[in-house]
Amino acid sequence: GAGVSQSPSNKVTEKGKDVELRCDPISGHTALYWYRQSLGQGLEFLIYFQGNSAPDKSGLPSDRFSAERTGGSVSTLTIQRTQQEDSAVYLCASSLAVGVEVPYEQYFGPGTRLTVT
Amino acid sequence: AQSVTQLDSHVSVSEGTPVLLRCNYSSSYSPSLFWYVQHPNKGLQLLLKYTSAATLVKGINGFEAEFKKSETSFHLTKPSAHMSDAAEYFCVVSGNNNDMRFGAGTRLTVKP
Repeated sequence: GAGVSQSPSNKVTEKGKDVELRCDPISGHTALYWYRQSLGQGLEFLIYFQGNSAPDKSGLPSDRFSAERTGGSVSTLTIQRTQQEDSAVYLCASSLAVGVEVPYEQYFGPGTRLTVT
Repeated sequence: AQSVTQLDSHVSVSEGTPVLLRCNYSSSYSPSLFWYVQHPNKGLQLLLKYTSAATLVKGINGFEAEFKKSETSFHLTKPSAHMSDAAEYFCVVSGNNNDMRFGAGTRLTVKP
């Protein structure tokens, strides 16, 4: 079956511009997650959604970052006024649900490589 | 809060020899622990997970990991490395809100 898809696969933008990254989770998965993978920084958790709701936004690096999810499906991560330090691979993952005692397995998309020039 | 430390940024082994990728975790409650693998230009794939059942967890591709609470460790092992095992490996700890914390990663190189 179809996995998690992300678009675009690559995005080059000029400093100061806004970008939108899209994630299509696996059909039927109610939980969706965003991560950032920077060179030398490892993988950083940004935010997760249970349905359309994001209970905790404290992982977002700054107020230039926002995320939304509509219809319990597609999610967009928006970065306003991009800076060079935003350059990274942004990964999306989805899982059947958010586990209360035992986390569900997360399935990852291929990522969007963002380069800010 | 929980966190993981991967003790080696790079491990190099010869094909056919054992693999050991080390991970220590910190958690204020019983954690769930995972190992993910990322091959070049591919997405992350789950290798195995520990969720308070058996302490020795077997995963895909011959990998296994042992949860040792006394040592706060969850090291990943494989008896015999294969060339196709060359990849980046991430140790992950998760709390009860699915807030997953990734280690910095260990790059495994397999020499012929």
